[in-house]
Formats: sequence, structure tokens, C-alpha cells
Amino acid sequence: KQEVTQIPAALSVPEGENLVLNCSFTDSAIYNLQWFRQDPGKGLTSLLLIQSSQREQTSGRLNASLDKSSGRSTLYIAASQPGDSATYLCAVPAYSGAGSYQLTFGKGTKLSVIP
Amino acid sequence: NAGVMQNPRHLVRRRGQEARLRCSPMKGHSHVYWYRQLPEEGLKFMVYLQKENIIDESGMPKERFSAEFPKEGPSILRIQQVVRGDSAAYFCASSLEPESKNIQYFGAGTRLSVL
Repeated sequence: KQEVTQIPAALSVPEGENLVLNCSFTDSAIYNLQWFRQDPGKGLTSLLLIQSSQREQTSGRLNASLDKSSGRSTLYIAASQPGDSATYLCAVPAYSGAGSYQLTFGKGTKLSVIP
Repeated sequence: NAGVMQNPRHLVRRRGQEARLRCSPMKGHSHVYWYRQLPEEGLKFMVYLQKENIIDESGMPKERFSAEFPKEGPSILRIQQVVRGDSAAYFCASSLEPESKNIQYFGAGTRLSVL
């Protein structure tokens, strides 16, 4: 059974700092890995999707890397801003054997960027 | 093209009442997933449906919970005789195809509070 772990659970940084969020998964036979952002009381916004054949994806100040063999992914945020404050979730799809590719989520890292 | 629409956004029920949560997938999407996020927990898969069919309900509690996705209209997650432990955020996601490489797009969620 796939398990996804995110460390740290919470992180507080001053504005302008670069930071790294970590995600690990127990079953390396993944198809892709997705990073989401969740604002308080809001839904999930997809940030980046890395296919299993890729090693990284970039979008603006965000860079996500994937190392399948070690079961790890990182989300790098450059020059953090107060607007980046949110909970960041990583998720991997797992074929359930019953016809669905359900996503398995980590519990998230709650990021606070202090002005 | 509207995103995944969930309503209501907030739902308050007393113990023993029924809760009905609705989800309209993105236009053109015929695959719907429901996830539940308990307080301080990660999102957990509940059920996967295609039009008029439940494909995978391995994450659904055995009693009181049911889901449907009729030929016409939104997908419905129904919780009968709610208890306080049902208080959570319920998220719906839709995808174009069920294959692993396809992104699941999430709605803003319904936050259920059971008094």
C-alpha cells in the first residue's frame, strides 16, 4: 500500500528566502507525482505534475524534482512571498485494482511566509 | 470552461439528518472521484464513478454513505444519519480519462459540520 509522507509539517520563513518542501513515497512504481496548493477553507490548486519519466518540472518560481528510485520529490520555491503562504500537498496516483487511479496524498506542509 | 463545481460550500446538519453533497465535473469529463479530508488529516479517496456506474468504492465507509453519478445531472455523495465524526471537507475531482497520466481537477469542496 502506497504511503506518502511530507516533512516538515509546518514551516515559517521570512519573505525572500528560498525554501524546499519534501515528499517521500513508499512504492517507487509511480506513474507521476503532483504538487498541490491548498489555501485555508479553499480547494486544491494543481501546481506541478511530474511524469515518472521526468526528473523535474518548473513553473515560475516553483521547481519540482522527482527521484523515483529513492522515493522522493522536492518542491523548491524561490524568493518566497507572503502570498505563497498555504498548505502544500503532494500526491501520487495508485491503481486500485478495482479500475481507478486514486490519488494518495501526504498530510501536507503548512508554509507561512513572514513579511 | 467552468471548473469542477461543488455545492453547497458549507453544510450544517444535526446528528441523524441526511447530507447531500453535489459535484458537477468539468465540461467533457465523465470520471468523478470523491475524497474526504478529516481535520488534521490528509485527503483520503472514497469512491470513483463514471456516468451511471460506481467503479471503485473501496474507500467508502460500509454504512450510511452512498454515491451516484446519473446520466443527467451532478454526482451526489449522500450521507445518511450523520454523526459528528462525519464532519470534514469533502472534495470532488474530475478527469477526462481515468488513466494515470491524466490530471484530476478538484472542486473547492463542501465543508460539512455535524452538530
